[in-house]
Amino acid sequence: KAGVTQTPRYLIKTRGQQVTLSCSPISGHRSVSWYQQTPGQGLQFLFEYFSETQRNKGNFPGRFSGRQFSNSRSEMNVSTLELGDSALYLCASSLSEGVGAKNIQYFGAGTRLSVL
Amino acid sequence: GIQVEQSPPDLILQEGANSTLRCNFSDSVNNLQWFHQNPWGQLINLFYIPSGTKQNGRLSATTVATERYSLLYISSSQTTDSGVYFCAVEGMDSSYKLIFGSGTRLLVRP
Repeated sequence: KAGVTQTPRYLIKTRGQQVTLSCSPISGHRSVSWYQQTPGQGLQFLFEYFSETQRNKGNFPGRFSGRQFSNSRSEMNVSTLELGDSALYLCASSLSEGVGAKNIQYFGAGTRLSVL
Repeated sequence: GIQVEQSPPDLILQEGANSTLRCNFSDSVNNLQWFHQNPWGQLINLFYIPSGTKQNGRLSATTVATERYSLLYISSSQTTDSGVYFCAVEGMDSSYKLIFGSGTRLLVRP
């Protein structure tokens, strides 16, 4: 079974531009989560989607948004990029049977975004 | 919200040595996972262990949920064990969201 696939692997953008990252979950997984990793803040939760609905959101500005499609693939978008948005963006998928259920998250290889 | 603390922050070992990494968390959890981040950035699942003990080859983990800590044991370390080890938890009140510790950076020297 294929793992979580993230595209692209690397991106270079300039301040003010916008960017869209893509994540394809493991087949059969309906939950997709996004995380940002920076040297200063570590790994931080961005948002989680299940069946095209956002169920939880982290403390990030509105410039960060996401969506999930009917095939469970997800995209996240960052508008008006700032230098501080340079980070490794990781996507995870899980079966997510419900609150309290065994909810193992599997991560993709990430998209490394550099903002110049 | 729930706090996750990992220790030590850095660890240097000689190949063949054993080590114990610790993860403390501040509240009850639904989910606890240990990950190894490889040099390319990917998080590799090691254990899903909200309670109890598990073993996988040279690695084992124990979580004592009532005392809010988890331990990851690495025996007979190899250079390929180098990288950053993360503990992540899903709190009872933070559904579908993993809270990560700051990690333990391990370097295994040949």
